[in-house]
Amino acid sequence: NAGVTQTPKFQVLKTGQSMTLQCAQDMNHNSMYWYRQDPGMGLRLIYYSASEGTTDKGEVPNGYNVSRLNKREFSLRLESAAPSQTSVYFCASRSSGSGNTIYFGEGSWLTVV
Amino acid sequence: DQQVKQNSPSLSVQEGRISILNCDYTNSMFDYFLWYKKYPAEGPTFLISISSIKDKNEDGRFTVFLNKSAKHLSLHIVPSQPGDSAVYFCAASFRTYKYIFGTGTRLKVLA
Repeated sequence: NAGVTQTPKFQVLKTGQSMTLQCAQDMNHNSMYWYRQDPGMGLRLIYYSASEGTTDKGEVPNGYNVSRLNKREFSLRLESAAPSQTSVYFCASRSSGSGNTIYFGEGSWLTVV
Repeated sequence: DQQVKQNSPSLSVQEGRISILNCDYTNSMFDYFLWYKKYPAEGPTFLISISSIKDKNEDGRFTVFLNKSAKHLSLHIVPSQPGDSAVYFCAASFRTYKYIFGTGTRLKVLA
């Protein structure tokens, strides 16, 4: 049972470099999310996709772009990485049935130097 | 403006006693609330949830209480076990696909 899979797990970037965090879910969920976790800040929503073909900004979207490639995959792109984007990134997906629970991946640790 | 607040960054409790974690929210339109547990180097895992039409939901040792008039929810863990030591996040949602999380409370259960 893979659930929500994120790659890479660890990445070090130089300021100004670009990269894409990949996320895939195998639970046939419609909605997918990207969060970042920072000390003292909790989990903050970057972008979400309610369904295939749609994306919306969350609480902290600046400096990021997303692509909902298909129902399974939702990628997060940093076009020009900044040290402030050093964080742990979590992808999640949501069941559309009763319960409305969202399920998280294991996280991607990103350091921008 | 933080819509979901967890004002206690940390909490220590003796094994076997009750742990009470609190969460306040500002948006009265929120209609679904969840608690997640997070261990270091892992993703958050779902613990328990409650709809705004209820004031209590129980699952084993975990009970969530919702006080809509006070815009407050709490998670009770009875009895607390050392394995419960983790960071706990509350989250809220309103008929949208956005889930807003609090800043988390680190629970330490002392053996």
